[in-house]
Amino acid sequence: DGGITQSPKYLFRKEGQNVTLSCEQNLNHDAMYWYRQDPGQGLRLIYYSQIVNDFQKGDIAEGYSVSREKKESFPLTVTSAQKNPTAFYLCASRKAEASTNEKLFFGSGTQLSVL
Amino acid sequence: KNQVEQSPQSLIILEGKNCTLQCNYTVSPFSNLRWYKQDTGRGPVSLTIMTFSENTKSNGRYTATLDADTKQSSLHITASQLSDSASYICVVSAWGGGADGLTFGKGTHLIIQP
Repeated sequence: DGGITQSPKYLFRKEGQNVTLSCEQNLNHDAMYWYRQDPGQGLRLIYYSQIVNDFQKGDIAEGYSVSREKKESFPLTVTSAQKNPTAFYLCASRKAEASTNEKLFFGSGTQLSVL
Repeated sequence: KNQVEQSPQSLIILEGKNCTLQCNYTVSPFSNLRWYKQDTGRGPVSLTIMTFSENTKSNGRYTATLDADTKQSSLHITASQLSDSASYICVVSAWGGGADGLTFGKGTHLIIQP
């Protein structure tokens, strides 16, 4: 089956700790995205990548970092600088960044909570 | 500033009944509008896309409409089923905006009661 796999499903972070959320896709998509979803809020863009070894900040990049070493993988690190990390994190992909008519394919999400 | 407003915020209906969800937007220049369905604890899944020239599009029991003049869209669900319980998110794309050009609504939380 083609799709996007996020892991883990649930993640707990201790104060001062960095944690990494995994996102893998086998759709052969060039563009990948990370969104944050808070209760009662619309999705907000954290980072996105149009191609391997390249990525851009979204609206709320502070306290987060990403890498894109492989086309299939786009991990997100939530650093200790992110003071309010509790949220549902969604990874998405589409064929190309400029394809505005292309739909986004989403993973199943990671719920991050602070201990 | 581009904005997408959805109403109602939440809705409870009985199984088998119809319902209509609303989406108003102020996104320019407009490219397309998508409705996504998000089950609890899952990622959103695309239901339908509407471009400027399209007025109505159906996907099974889901029918989306678009009025580009008034910048309004609706999603009508016919003969609701328990599996329709979910959040429905309206997403509007601006031309040439890429990821930065996507504006997400906050969603309508729909509950279908037996």
